[in-house]
Amino acid sequence: EAGVVQSPRYKIIEKKQPVAFWCNPISGHNTLYWYLQNLGQGPELLIRYENEEAVDDSQLPKDRFSAERLKGVDSTLKIQPAELGDSAVYLCASSDRLAGNTGELFFGEGSRLTVL
Amino acid sequence: QKEVEQDPGPLSVPEGAIVSLNCTYSNSAFQYFMWYRQYSRKGPELLMYTYSSGNKEDGRFTAQVDKSSKYISLFIRDSQPSDSATYLCAMNYGGATNKLIFGTGTLLAVQP
Repeated sequence: EAGVVQSPRYKIIEKKQPVAFWCNPISGHNTLYWYLQNLGQGPELLIRYENEEAVDDSQLPKDRFSAERLKGVDSTLKIQPAELGDSAVYLCASSDRLAGNTGELFFGEGSRLTVL
Repeated sequence: QKEVEQDPGPLSVPEGAIVSLNCTYSNSAFQYFMWYRQYSRKGPELLMYTYSSGNKEDGRFTAQVDKSSKYISLFIRDSQPSDSATYLCAMNYGGATNKLIFGTGTLLAVQP
């Protein structure tokens, strides 16, 4: 079974440019998460989707970040315009309805962003 | 103060050593406790989870939770070079949200 797929794996852009990351979750997983991981830090939740509905976006900086999950499957995270401080790894994860409280999220390999 | 505190290491041990990794937390509402392992340039993967206080063993790994002290531990016996990774503790409040709060991670290197 294929895992969570993310692209691109690496992206280098200049500040003020836009960037987008794409995520394809594990088939059948209704919950999708975007996490931000700074160097030497643990992942921090940006947004969580239940199917196509964003149920927790309280940590998403909405002035420059946006996300969508059309048809409740793939998701895109966009940053416009990017700032130097956005350099980080953007992790996508998914879980199924039965994950409950086990905390089992399946993560992709991440998209590493460098803003120059 | 962060909700979850974890010693970032790095921790270097010889092969075969017993490793102890720890996290403390401040919110007594946390109910479920997990350990994730993250290899370099990979996403985290769930290693173990426990509910409330107690111990849980899985092969060479033992997870321990002490809710009275707000302290959780992961022990690795007979450590192997393949155990070299960053270990992240994580916890959530229970219920349907499954929103995890992660520690900063401890970088472990097992020397052959």
